[in-house]
Parts: sequence; structure tokens; C-alpha cells
Amino acid sequence: EEQLLDSGGGLVQPGRSLRLSCAASGFTFSNNGMRWVRQTPGKGLEWVSAISASGDSTFYVGSVRGRFTITRDNSKNMLYLQMNSLRADDTAVYYCAKEVAVVVGATHYYYMGVWGKGTTVTVSS
Amino acid sequence: DLQMTQSPSSLSASVGDRVTITCRASQSISNWLAWYQQKPGKAPKVLIHKASSLESGVPSRFSGSGSATEFTLTISSLQPDDFATYYCQQYSFYPGTFGQGTKVEIK
Repeated sequence: EEQLLDSGGGLVQPGRSLRLSCAASGFTFSNNGMRWVRQTPGKGLEWVSAISASGDSTFYVGSVRGRFTITRDNSKNMLYLQMNSLRADDTAVYYCAKEVAVVVGATHYYYMGVWGKGTTVTVSS
Repeated sequence: DLQMTQSPSSLSASVGDRVTITCRASQSISNWLAWYQQKPGKAPKVLIHKASSLESGVPSRFSGSGSATEFTLTISSLQPDDFATYYCQQYSFYPGTFGQGTKVEIK
């Protein structure tokens, strides 16, 4: 069974850092792009960051670019999100998710096929 | 920016009812649309991809249709396990955009 187990959330003061982790099992981790998606009551589901299968390409939503870094260790089947300079509006449940690619010619389309259970990040003084 | 708009934002229905949720895109996304179900305290779970393709293991009472800018998710006969929030997501344009969700509640 394909599984993702995300962890690392907690209560942190504004301006501090936190690292989220996501352990993958049940599939060939190095074959799939991965994402972090967050959810808040006010903004709903929001894509935060994505990384290609090899780790060579990374993408960020504008509000976290320059503060968050997504990485992966394919030898350990692990995904990470390093979050620096945290702000109150980063408060959310963070999910890691596996991308499923649909290939049409030279174009790839991605939806999220497997999600972790989520880890809660609260930024507050 | 591409916007995804779901309607209604919530609905009340009874077990056995036919339920339809609509998702509209602000521009054409062909059929690159997924539907997710989320129960309280749980992660979203993909039900349908490519507008109408049912994920493995998803009950056949769920179906999706539509193309371009208008899509629907239909539950043919609502079951107790189906009370949840449903989200659409376009993935025509990377990295994808979610709708705001439709909460299906018990009448």
C-alpha cells in the first residue's frame, strides 16, 4: 500500500524555523514528483511547493519563495520542507502528496494521487 | 490567474439522494480536472481524475463529467460514508488550482 507519513509540525514563534518531513513507502519514491500542500480554514487548499522526481527542479508559491526550501532524499524515501522566517499566515495543516503524471506527447499533467495525514504548523507568539 | 469556482459551497441531502456539485474554471482546462473527497481531520482523497476517470477502489456511485470550463461531480445515491467536503482541482496549468470546496451535510 502506498503511504506517506508527514511529521515535524508544531507551535513556533514568528520569525523562527521548522522542518517538515515526509516518509514514503509502498511505491518507488524516486519515480514521482512530490508536493507540499497546506490547508487553512480561510484559504482552503493551497499548493506550497513541488519538487521533481530527481530533485533537480523545485517550485514555490510566491508567498513562501525565498523562505521555504523543498528537498528530497531518494536513498531514504524522504521529502522535506525547511520553513524559515515563519509568519502567522503560514499557520496551516501541511500535507505531503505524491504527484501522478499523465503524459500526453511531450506534456506532463500532474494531480495528487496519495496524501499524507497532515501535520499542523502553528505560528504564534 | 486561473480561478476555480465550486457551487454550491454547501448542501444538505438525505441518504439515497442524487447530489450534483459544479466546478467552473475561469478559462478552458480541457479535461484536466480532479475531484477530491475530504472528511474532517483527514487528508483529501482523489476520487476522479481527467474529469471522468474513476480512481481504483472508488465506488461507482461517483461520476464526473464536463470539459473546458464546466464540470460536475455526481453522487448517484448518497451514502452515509459520503458526507464530506469535496474539492475540484485543475491541473492543466502547473501547479494546479483548487476550488473552495463543497460541504455535503446530512439533512
